[in-house]
Amino acid sequence: SQKIEQNSEALNIQEGKTATLTCNYTNYSPAYLQWYRQDPGRGPVFLLLIRENEKEKRKERLKVTFDTTLKQSLFHITASQPADSATYHCALVGGTASKLTFGTGTRLQVTL
Amino acid sequence: DTAVSQTPKYLVTQMGNDKSIKCEQNLGHDTMYWYKQDSKKFLKIMFSYNNKELIINETVPNRFSPKSPDKAHLNLHINSLELGDSAVYFCASSQGQGRQFFGPGTRLTVL
Repeated sequence: SQKIEQNSEALNIQEGKTATLTCNYTNYSPAYLQWYRQDPGRGPVFLLLIRENEKEKRKERLKVTFDTTLKQSLFHITASQPADSATYHCALVGGTASKLTFGTGTRLQVTL
Repeated sequence: DTAVSQTPKYLVTQMGNDKSIKCEQNLGHDTMYWYKQDSKKFLKIMFSYNNKELIINETVPNRFSPKSPDKAHLNLHINSLELGDSAVYFCASSQGQGRQFFGPGTRLTVL
């Protein structure tokens, strides 16, 4: 069956360190993968999109990698700050037009 | 200025009632969606409309009926509400398969 799994429900990290979030998928051939951030009581907000033929994408302190052989995407936040604390979702697009399938989400907590 | 708006933000109702949630987007997008988010924050797509035409209809009880009067609006009507329908419902929109813009969510509580 198809699955998209993100590492542990919660990740605690110290300010200034690099946070690495994992997204693993099985039985998908995604055209591309997206990462979203969700703050409590709000809707998800788009962060980055990476296509199947791209290995890496960067945006400011964010970096996403996409390994279609390992069926895995890694999401890095360098020099993390308490304001980065949120739930992060990976999502795949593949199959039916525009259908975005979300992973289980990882709650990131950055402490001082 | 709000890109995707939903009403109401909170909805508390009794089992068996019928309720509607409204969604509007002012981004000029051609595709709109409804998602359900459970207590574990898992987001699951329910429906998707492209130019007022239903293109995704996941395994959702037929008590849920979406309606798209025009490209900018997608409403969700729920009949005979059950306890298990309690969740946060998000509307979203996109242009084609691009990034999706989500509304603020509607927290539905069924008592």
